[in-house]
Amino acid sequence: KQEVTQIPAALSVPEGENLVLNCSFTDSAIYNLQWFRQDPGKGLTSLLLIQSSQREQTSGRLNASLDKSSGRSTLYIAASQPGDSATYLCALHALNFGKGTSLLVTP
Amino acid sequence: DAGVIQSPRHEVTEMGQEVTLRCKPISGHDYLFWYRQTMMRGLELLIYFNNNVPIDDSGMPEDRFSAKMPNASFSTLKIQPSEPRDSAVYFCASSRRYGYTFGSGTRLTVV
Repeated sequence: KQEVTQIPAALSVPEGENLVLNCSFTDSAIYNLQWFRQDPGKGLTSLLLIQSSQREQTSGRLNASLDKSSGRSTLYIAASQPGDSATYLCALHALNFGKGTSLLVTP
Repeated sequence: DAGVIQSPRHEVTEMGQEVTLRCKPISGHDYLFWYRQTMMRGLELLIYFNNNVPIDDSGMPEDRFSAKMPNASFSTLKIQPSEPRDSAVYFCASSRRYGYTFGSGTRLTVV
């Protein structure tokens, strides 16, 4: 079974910092990889989807990259804001999820 | 578009009772997913459907769990009999091609 690991489990940064969240997976034969955001008590919101043929996707201050050969994806958040505080999950094909990174951006 | 609608939002039931969770996917979406989320295990896929047909139910933990999708606009996840370890947040999501939309979830507590 595909294993998805996210490091770190929790992260606290001051407002304005750039930060990177990591996601690793065991099987490079993937179809697509998605990054989601989950606010407390809420469902998941899709942020970025990277197809297996792509290397990165960008949306505003977010940039996600995919390196299938090394089994890794990163989510880069530029100029972090307190409103970015949430849990960020990566998922393969929406079938296998990591446990998420809980991000706190302090004013 | 109202999004993916799940009901109820919260459910508290006694051990041994039957529990039915409901999901209305987004119109036009041909995939429907059921997940369970706990602190210990994170978000786990239970089952997913394509065009109302179950494709993979390998995540369903036991025979106590069953899911149906009688038509394109409705799905149920049933637990009978329920046990305290079933307490979790259950999410439904629907998709067309690659865009996944999640419902707000049902928080189930079995006492």
